[in-house]
Amino acid sequence: EAGVVQSPRYKIIEKKQPVAFWCNPISGHNTLYWYLQNLGQGPELLIRYENEEAVDDSQLPKDRFSAERLKGVDSTLKIQPAELGDSAVYLCASSLSSGRYPDTQYFGPGTRLTVL
Amino acid sequence: AQSVAQPEDQVNVAEGNPLTVKCTYSVSGNPYLFWYVQYPNRGLQFLLKYITGDNLVKGSYGFEAEFNKSQTSFHLKKPSALVSDSALYFCAVRDSRGSTLGRLYFGRGTQLTVWP
Repeated sequence: EAGVVQSPRYKIIEKKQPVAFWCNPISGHNTLYWYLQNLGQGPELLIRYENEEAVDDSQLPKDRFSAERLKGVDSTLKIQPAELGDSAVYLCASSLSSGRYPDTQYFGPGTRLTVL
Repeated sequence: AQSVAQPEDQVNVAEGNPLTVKCTYSVSGNPYLFWYVQYPNRGLQFLLKYITGDNLVKGSYGFEAEFNKSQTSFHLKKPSALVSDSALYFCAVRDSRGSTLGRLYFGRGTQLTVWP
């Protein structure tokens, strides 16, 4: 079974430029997560999707970050404009569901963003 | 609020010796606990989880974890360490209530080094 796929793996941009990350979850997984991992820290949730619906986006900085999950499968996370402090690893994860039963979240390899 | 503490930034152990990576948690509701491992430039790989039942949970690559409700701990263990176990280990607790249902809260991570 293929795992969570993310692209690109690495991205270097100048500040104020836009950037987008793409994620393809494990087939059949209804729930998709975007996490932010700063250097030396554990991941922190940015947004959680149940199918097409964003059900937990309270930690997404909506002034510059946006996300979408069209058709309930692939997802894109966008930053516009990027700031120096956005340099981090952006992880995508998926699980069968996020209901009361604690399904395991499976993570992709991440996208390492460097903002110059 | 849910939280996880990993009191040791680094753990060093000789190959063949037993290893323990410590984790304590704070959670409202049922404690659903996870361990993940991260190798350089890779995403997080699931090792094991505690949902309910036996306090000793067995996972991938010979790892196990002991759930202790009275001490609110979930320490990761392995009877005999391998050099290839050297990696960054994260403990996480899952939110089981409200709008943040399904969100994982991670510790800062513990760098395990196994020397030959």
